Amino acid sequence: AQSVTQLGSHVSVSEGALVLLRCNYSSSVPPYLFWYVQYPNQGLQLLLKYTSAATLVKGINGFEAEFKKSETSFHLTKPSAHMSDAAEYFCAVSSAFSGGYNKLIFGAGTRLAVHP
Amino acid sequence: EAGVAQSPRYKIIEKRQSVAFWCNPISGHATLYWYQQILGQGPKLLIQFQNNGVVDDSQLPKDRFSAERLKGVDSTLKIQPAKLEDSAVYLCASSLKPPIGGNEQFFGPGTRLTVL
Repeated sequence: AQSVTQLGSHVSVSEGALVLLRCNYSSSVPPYLFWYVQYPNQGLQLLLKYTSAATLVKGINGFEAEFKKSETSFHLTKPSAHMSDAAEYFCAVSSAFSGGYNKLIFGAGTRLAVHP
Repeated sequence: EAGVAQSPRYKIIEKRQSVAFWCNPISGHATLYWYQQILGQGPKLLIQFQNNGVVDDSQLPKDRFSAERLKGVDSTLKIQPAKLEDSAVYLCASSLKPPIGGNEQFFGPGTRLTVL
């Protein structure tokens, strides 16, 4: 069965510093991978997704993620953090189940704090 | 384009009471999902509908939870009777296409349930 592990429940960076949020997945088949962001009292918003095309995926708000099959990783990065990036970030894998459909399996999330 | 609508946004009940949540997906979206997000965890899929049919409810506690999508548009999730451990945010999501591969889901703001 597919699963997702996010390393670090809390990450704190200075404004302007590199953001690195770690995600490792487990999948017996080529995965579809996603990063979602959740701002306080809001639903989840898709940042980017990997669907077996380019291994370096660019998303919204300057975020990008690189799929590394050998490391089973899909880490999220942003070169320069902004105060508005403070939020909770979820990595997810699309898992197949019977009937030919998929469902999203989420990691536990990483809360990003950005300080001046 | 209007997003996924959910109501109420907040609900406080006592254990053993009943509660219902409503979701209206994005117009034209055939697939609808209900997730449970317990504090400090990632969302967990409870049930997903394709039009008005259930395609996966394997993680729905059917002894107390029920969901319906009678006309293939809006949906209701009910808990009867509620337990303390049901305290969570209930997220509704929808997608244009069936839940396969890299299909993107759009999330509503959620309903925060507190069971006392």
